[in-house]
Amino acid sequence: ETGVTQTPRHLVMGMTNKKSLKCEQHLGHNAMYWYKQSAKKPLELMFVYNFKEQTENNSVPSRFSPECPNSSHLFLHLHTLQPEDSALYLCASSPDGTSYEQYFGPGTRLTVT
Amino acid sequence: AQKITQTQPGMFVQEKEAVTLDCTYDTSDQSYGLFWYKQPSSGEMIFLIYQGSYDEQNATEGRYSLNFQKARKSANLVISASQLGDSAMYFCAMREGPDTGTASKLTFGTGTRLQVTL
Repeated sequence: ETGVTQTPRHLVMGMTNKKSLKCEQHLGHNAMYWYKQSAKKPLELMFVYNFKEQTENNSVPSRFSPECPNSSHLFLHLHTLQPEDSALYLCASSPDGTSYEQYFGPGTRLTVT
Repeated sequence: AQKITQTQPGMFVQEKEAVTLDCTYDTSDQSYGLFWYKQPSSGEMIFLIYQGSYDEQNATEGRYSLNFQKARKSANLVISASQLGDSAMYFCAMREGPDTGTASKLTFGTGTRLQVTL
């Protein structure tokens, strides 16, 4: 596998469920990101990890809980979500912050019922 | 106020023609970077081109060029010789501040949907 992969690609969950989104990058990068993309809204940065340390939490509700066990893997743990949390969740990675671009995965399309 | 403004929700262009996608930005930083990403229907965001605020020449990458007008705070994307595969959403984004070794934070616009027709 190359690049940034995300699983699952699609997820439907009830408001009382607990699920996790997984992101893996095979690029040797040290920074990883979670973004939320809702319809007709700009991409919103949620969390940033740099060298496994969280450096940014963009006022994200606590029902979203990120985890970065190593520089290659990033998780987003979900619990007691709301219907308005339905969106495309994109993971990205970049080298240690001195590079110019971020490389994105294909996203997980989440639907909360 | 929005930091990145893309005023064209949708654009049509004929195959083999050139098209310009508009982007204006707002920042008080002297050092910043501007990016364009393409998002096909598959969902993945694909990096296209980058312009640094101190770069004197407009960035070019193959059929993509960035028309950077610093005084007007605009960073329009020009796609030459459009192809059917160029049909996608296009997002302009900005990184404020210099690369300091911390992970870069990008602010995105709302995007422009480009449709290439025969």
